[in-house]
Amino acid sequence: EAQVTQNPRYLITVTGKKLTVTCSQNMNHEYMSWYRQDPGLGLRQIYYSMNVEVTDKGDVPEGYKVSRKEKRNFPLILESPSPNQTSLYFCASSLGLGGYQHTQYFGPGTRLTVL
Amino acid sequence: QKEVEQNSGPLSVPEGAIASLNCTYSDRGSQSFFWYRQYSGKSPELIMFIYSNGDKEDGRFTAQLNKASQYVSLLIRDSQPSDSATYLCAVKRDFGNEKLTFGTGTRLTIIP
Repeated sequence: EAQVTQNPRYLITVTGKKLTVTCSQNMNHEYMSWYRQDPGLGLRQIYYSMNVEVTDKGDVPEGYKVSRKEKRNFPLILESPSPNQTSLYFCASSLGLGGYQHTQYFGPGTRLTVL
Repeated sequence: QKEVEQNSGPLSVPEGAIASLNCTYSDRGSQSFFWYRQYSGKSPELIMFIYSNGDKEDGRFTAQLNKASQYVSLLIRDSQPSDSATYLCAVKRDFGNEKLTFGTGTRLTIIP
């Protein structure tokens, strides 16, 4: 089954404790992206990756890191989480460049609470 | 001005009626437009995309695009209670850029 998976689905942590949210896709997609979703603000892009070893900042990258060492995986790293990073996080992937119709498929989401 | 604007709602529509959801965008370079449906606590799922002016129909859903007016809409015919969700409009700028910019969504409630 074609899918994007994220782990963990729910996480409660404390300020300053490093964490990683994993994202994996099995569709051989080139493009992967991380979003956060907050009430009234919608989905905002954190980081994206066009291909292996190619990553770039989105609209709200502060406090986050990413890496893309393999095509299928795109982990999101919070080195020192703070309460304002409490949010619902989505990973998404798409085929990549080359067509108007290429759209992004979303993982199930990770609800993060930072105390 | 927000890049992608939607009426946040809630929009209440009787079962069986037509629900009309609207979205405007500010970047005239935008080329592709997507409608996602999101149930509470779930991930967005694609309903339709459109990139040519005019109407595009898929079952009970019709997307309408007017690039001159920078306006895209989604019509849902014969609305069902299962259509109750938040609908997200997303815009892709151009052929060589995969970035999607989302509106904040319109919450739709279908009243039985």
